[in-house]
Amino acid sequence: EVQLVESGGTLVQPGGSLRLSCAASGFTFRSYWMSWIRQAPGKGLEWVANVKRDGSEKYYVDSVRGRFTISRDNAKNSLSLQLNSLRAEDTAVYYCARSPGLSGYDRFDYWGQGTLVTVSS
Amino acid sequence: QSVLTQPPSASGAPGQRVTVSCSGSSSNIGSHSVSWYQQLPGTAPQLLVYGDNQRPSGVPDRFSGSKSGTSASLAISGLQPEHEADYYCAAWDDNLNVVVFGGGTKLTVL
Repeated sequence: EVQLVESGGTLVQPGGSLRLSCAASGFTFRSYWMSWIRQAPGKGLEWVANVKRDGSEKYYVDSVRGRFTISRDNAKNSLSLQLNSLRAEDTAVYYCARSPGLSGYDRFDYWGQGTLVTVSS
Repeated sequence: QSVLTQPPSASGAPGQRVTVSCSGSSSNIGSHSVSWYQQLPGTAPQLLVYGDNQRPSGVPDRFSGSKSGTSASLAISGLQPEHEADYYCAAWDDNLNVVVFGGGTKLTVL
């Protein structure tokens, strides 16, 4: 059974940092692109970043580029998102999601349960 | 303001067929495949349709997707109370170089 379990979400002050993790199991992790997708309270979905199967390519939405860093450890079946210089507008539930296929963006077939990041003083 | 435009709400009676639209442009829907997601209250989204009209295994055929030009649609037939959820479309955008989502459509079963 495919499982994605996020952790690391918490309350953090504006300007602070946080590291989110996603533990993957039930599939060959190194064979899939992985993404982070977020959802602000009461709002819609926003794709944040993705990373290629071997970690050689990474893409970000403009609003987080330079502040967030996506990474993966295929030996540990783990995906991470380092969040720096956090702003109130980064408050959201952060989901990790799997992308089959070559492109890494044509669909997200499995999602984790999400972890809540709250940026507030 | 989302790049892909969806109606904020839709509704239908049990047993009816309802359609949710998703309007984009040549840089997204017009050039790339569309996927659709269902988000039940308090849960993570789930993939319903990909490649414009393909269903993952386990998704019933009451859910169907279509695309024409720069617009896509999700149809749900035989509406049931458990279909009350938010529905999102998504596609890659060549101008923004990101995956873009629609703003979501809240489906109410009357």
